[in-house]
Amino acid sequence: QQQVKQSPQSLIVQKGGISIINCAYENTAFDYFPWYQQFPGKGPALLIAIRPDVSEKKEGRFTISFNKSAKQFSLHIMDSQPGDSATYFCAARMRGGANNLFFGTGTRLTVIP
Amino acid sequence: GAGVSQSPSNKVTEKGKDVELRCDPISGHTALYWYRQSLGQGLEFLIYFQGNSAPDKSGLPSDRFSAERTGGSVSTLTIQRTQQEDSAVYLCASSGRGGEQFFGPGTRLTVL
Repeated sequence: QQQVKQSPQSLIVQKGGISIINCAYENTAFDYFPWYQQFPGKGPALLIAIRPDVSEKKEGRFTISFNKSAKQFSLHIMDSQPGDSATYFCAARMRGGANNLFFGTGTRLTVIP
Repeated sequence: GAGVSQSPSNKVTEKGKDVELRCDPISGHTALYWYRQSLGQGLEFLIYFQGNSAPDKSGLPSDRFSAERTGGSVSTLTIQRTQQEDSAVYLCASSGRGGEQFFGPGTRLTVL
């Protein structure tokens, strides 16, 4: 059973546009929500992360919006660039658990010049 | 400093053979994780080591899979009697005090 559901599976955005990727979860024991960026042939790299005590976190062009009551969180990439073309994974970690991450299935983002 | 390294980068094996995949975590990181990434899927947790504690093996898909971590550093994931469904990218990650997981580049395993 997929603990973290991610959509869309793929996304094509024009350069300069906003890319939005959405994730949802059910388990209220999750207390840490990171987003990872993965380029082909590389391992995932942490992009930005949020805890449920805040509703938004921004780092440069990347923003996480978090809706605790709806159990949803999303990644917004502002002014999307061709170099942002990659696969993005949302994830969640359980409070008091083994620290392993539960990952969404990934979104392949393509930014067209 | 060096990141997480994994070897080999690619491994092709025949069905029924055993394989060993190696992970060198970031120096000083006490936690080490193995994940599996199948085509078009997210990462699936396999096993977690924390210091000298007994590993959390709850994600291992079958008893053909095992892992060890020697001296609190290097880890080896072993898959016995490989099957075609074992074909995937196997990723290792390590984390220190901050908890952020740093991933290696992975080993792409192909079982023919």
